[in-house]
Amino acid sequence: AQKVTQAQTEISVVEKEDVTLDCVYETRDTTYYLFWYKQPPSGELVFLIRRNSFDEQNEISGRYSWNFQKSTSSFNFTITASQVVDSAVYFCALSSNTGKLIFGQGTTLQVKP
Amino acid sequence: NAGVTQTPKFRVLKTGQSMTLLCAQDMNHEYMYWYRQDPGMGLRLIHYSVGEGTTAKGEVPDGYNVSRLKKQNFLLGLESAAPSQTSVYFCASSQGLGQGASGANVLTFGAGSRLTVL
Repeated sequence: AQKVTQAQTEISVVEKEDVTLDCVYETRDTTYYLFWYKQPPSGELVFLIRRNSFDEQNEISGRYSWNFQKSTSSFNFTITASQVVDSAVYFCALSSNTGKLIFGQGTTLQVKP
Repeated sequence: NAGVTQTPKFRVLKTGQSMTLLCAQDMNHEYMYWYRQDPGMGLRLIHYSVGEGTTAKGEVPDGYNVSRLKKQNFLLGLESAAPSQTSVYFCASSQGLGQGASGANVLTFGAGSRLTVL
């Protein structure tokens, strides 16, 4: 069975602090895909990144970086020098090779000025 | 380009009433999904479809039915609404798993439909 766990329900930081959002997943598939989505207060869901199970290379995009470790079944997301505009709910998601795509419970990030 | 359109955006139902949520996409996507979002529960998959004429159950399918008669449309039905179905419903679509890593299931979401069951 597939499962995605985001143990951090809410995180509050002060602007310019670094913050890491944790994501742990479970799957029996050897081929799978991991995602992060952002949901700002306006409510829309925005795609941030996709990783496939064969690519453990970490990725950096501006202030965002992602650490994928198959050994610990984790796909963590770090925001460096956080900004107020980063305040949102962040979802980690897992897609199997059958197309089923499930999300974690989400982490609400509040960045205070 | 409209992307993914959900109708209606808001609806209030009485317990026992039925209704259908319509999701339409104009991107020729193969895969379509229905999720519900509740506080503290994240996005939970109700049903999904990997192609016209196919549907599959997600994590929380009970009380819902779906149909994908046309590739561009994915309907979510509530036959007898219950207060527990009060939620925000999101439809999403994707190209599917595609060829290799490049096509892998990046979702485009609709704006959401807020349903209240009294």
